[in-house]
Amino acid sequence: ETGVTQSPTHLIKTRGQQVTLRCSSQSGHNTVSWYQQALGQGPQFIFQYYREEENGRGNFPPRFSGLQFPNYSSELNVNALELDDSALYLCASSGSTTNSYNSPLHFGNGTRLTVT
Amino acid sequence: ILNVEQSPQSLHVQEGDSTNFTCSFPSSNFYALHWYRWETAKSPEALFVMTLNGDEKKKGRISATLNTKEGYSYLYIKGSQPEDSATYLCAFLNNRKLIWGLGTSLAVNP
Repeated sequence: ETGVTQSPTHLIKTRGQQVTLRCSSQSGHNTVSWYQQALGQGPQFIFQYYREEENGRGNFPPRFSGLQFPNYSSELNVNALELDDSALYLCASSGSTTNSYNSPLHFGNGTRLTVT
Repeated sequence: ILNVEQSPQSLHVQEGDSTNFTCSFPSSNFYALHWYRWETAKSPEALFVMTLNGDEKKKGRISATLNTKEGYSYLYIKGSQPEDSATYLCAFLNNRKLIWGLGTSLAVNP
């Protein structure tokens, strides 16, 4: 069973730039969600995709966008980067045939983004 | 604003001690409560997903209880071991999204 993998592990960007983070879901999982964890904070929900469609979104501006592909891998795109976007970005997949939201999440190791 | 609160913020215990910590969440519109363990340099690992009031779940030396009417869940670790050292996070499912607490950081001294 292949776990959740994220790339890259670390990234340094300049304010105003755009970034794409990638996530490969665990085999058999059709739901993926993205979280931002700033230093000293708990994870903050960004959005969730189920079968290639966004079906839940947290309090993040539109410059945070995503995609889920037919193989259930996913991307998180952030435009016009700000210094406060510096954080650990976690991807999590879950398997559900009913989209019940009660399935446990399987996390990747995260991408550490630094915006200077 | 929905808040999930965890206490204590951090905990230091000796190997062999039993310990417990608390997750408090809104008691209305309850769907599910998740517990995760997050060890340093690793990814968060699911411990329990709890949905029913009065539910009690167990995984090895770790167990959890749930009271949805009063809005709290307890996580217990029996006979703590150094490998239990981690941050324990709870998350409350609301309107299709998980709202996370800040976690309890547990350090078990050998």
